[in-house]
Amino acid sequence: NAGVTQTPKFQVLKTGQSMTLQCAQDMNHEYMSWYRQDPGMGLRLIHYSVGAGITDQGEVPNGYNVSRSTTEDFPLRLLSAAPSQTSVYFCASRGGVEGYTFGSGTRLTVV
Amino acid sequence: AQTVTQSQPEMSVQEAETVTLSCTYDTSESNYYLFWYKQPPSRQMILVIRQEAYKQQNATENRFSVNFQKAAKSFSLKISDSQLGDTAMYFCAFMKRNTGTASKLTFGTGTRLQVTL
Repeated sequence: NAGVTQTPKFQVLKTGQSMTLQCAQDMNHEYMSWYRQDPGMGLRLIHYSVGAGITDQGEVPNGYNVSRSTTEDFPLRLLSAAPSQTSVYFCASRGGVEGYTFGSGTRLTVV
Repeated sequence: AQTVTQSQPEMSVQEAETVTLSCTYDTSESNYYLFWYKQPPSRQMILVIRQEAYKQQNATENRFSVNFQKAAKSFSLKISDSQLGDTAMYFCAFMKRNTGTASKLTFGTGTRLQVTL
């Protein structure tokens, strides 16, 4: 099925651990982005990419790294997890003037 | 920078009734898109309806319609004949219209809608 695939769906980390959230899309979309969703704050943009090899920071980039080596994949890396990074993370892609396609989200808990 | 405000954190409506969710936004742009997304308990983000700012006609999708007031920067969502499956969090979102694809979504804080029997 065409769409955006995120893995894992759930993850628990200890403070200081690192991990990568995976995101892949098969729609040949140029634009991909990562959002975090926190209660009462809506979704906030972490990082985005307008194509392979091009990334930029969003509203809340601190503590996260991204890379875009292919059109299909846009992984999000947490270098040293902190409790403040406990959140639900969404990857989304867009190919034109239509709306975004979202992945199913990753619920991350940092203890 | 754009801001999106949803002033109703929670709302409740009885099945088969009509409910309106409010959204206001602030921008200096003249060309943009507005969206309503639905997030049911499954967590999936589902596009409900989209409005292009240069179109005066309000968008409709089956039981969902919007009241777009560009001068007032208001974009409300009306759900008619509410169904139990409409129970969800609803997010209003803004996107500047670019010729390329580098347009970001700015979200409101959401309205949690509960449909009751």
